[in-house]
Amino acid sequence: DSGVTQTPKHLITATGQRVTLRCSPRSGDLSVYWYQQSLDQGLQFLIQYYNGEERAKGNILERFSAQQFPDLHSELNLSSLELGDSALYFCASSAGTGHTEAFFGQGTRLTVV
Amino acid sequence: GQQVMQIPQYQHVQEGEDFTTYCNSSTTLSNIQWYKQRPGGHPVFLIQLVKSGEVKKQKRLTFQFGEAKKNSSLHITATQTTDVGTYFCATKYIGNQFYFGTGTSLTVIP
Repeated sequence: DSGVTQTPKHLITATGQRVTLRCSPRSGDLSVYWYQQSLDQGLQFLIQYYNGEERAKGNILERFSAQQFPDLHSELNLSSLELGDSALYFCASSAGTGHTEAFFGQGTRLTVV
Repeated sequence: GQQVMQIPQYQHVQEGEDFTTYCNSSTTLSNIQWYKQRPGGHPVFLIQLVKSGEVKKQKRLTFQFGEAKKNSSLHITATQTTDVGTYFCATKYIGNQFYFGTGTSLTVIP
């Protein structure tokens, strides 16, 4: 158990819909990272938050947004979903900003039908 | 754009054989991290290398960072079935963006 909790584990939704993925980081970790993993794209970095502030942005679509709350949990919002958004979404956390010893959650498998 | 290439993409070995995966970058890296992802699982942090020429060992695993800090390798001695999974290198580029390599999927044949 990495200590990072992601909910839900599985999500099936229709195209055009909006979903929210939730992540609770390990106790004491201030950084949260979101990744998308698909068969053809590998692990793609989406965004990082540190102590409530956006720290770095990767290949995150404009239809996607994220935030980190005062209690340090984070949410990833995906809207106007397309079939191609089907993927595993991982959240990771680390104590500092440098991704050192980042711990990953179990992931949320999103299927868009 | 920034890219971290890993070779090979797939590797099948007999149990007991050695295995090596290589990670190559066109630009100098500040550090390199290695992760392992078991089938159906999530990436698990293995190690971070920072210094030029650095070599670290974890039991049967040996990690190296190249002298020019543009490449890295992970070598497993005498593979076991528990080594099965995909091994990723990862690094942080300018702009604090994190990049994972394409991964090497290791299959160990008993």
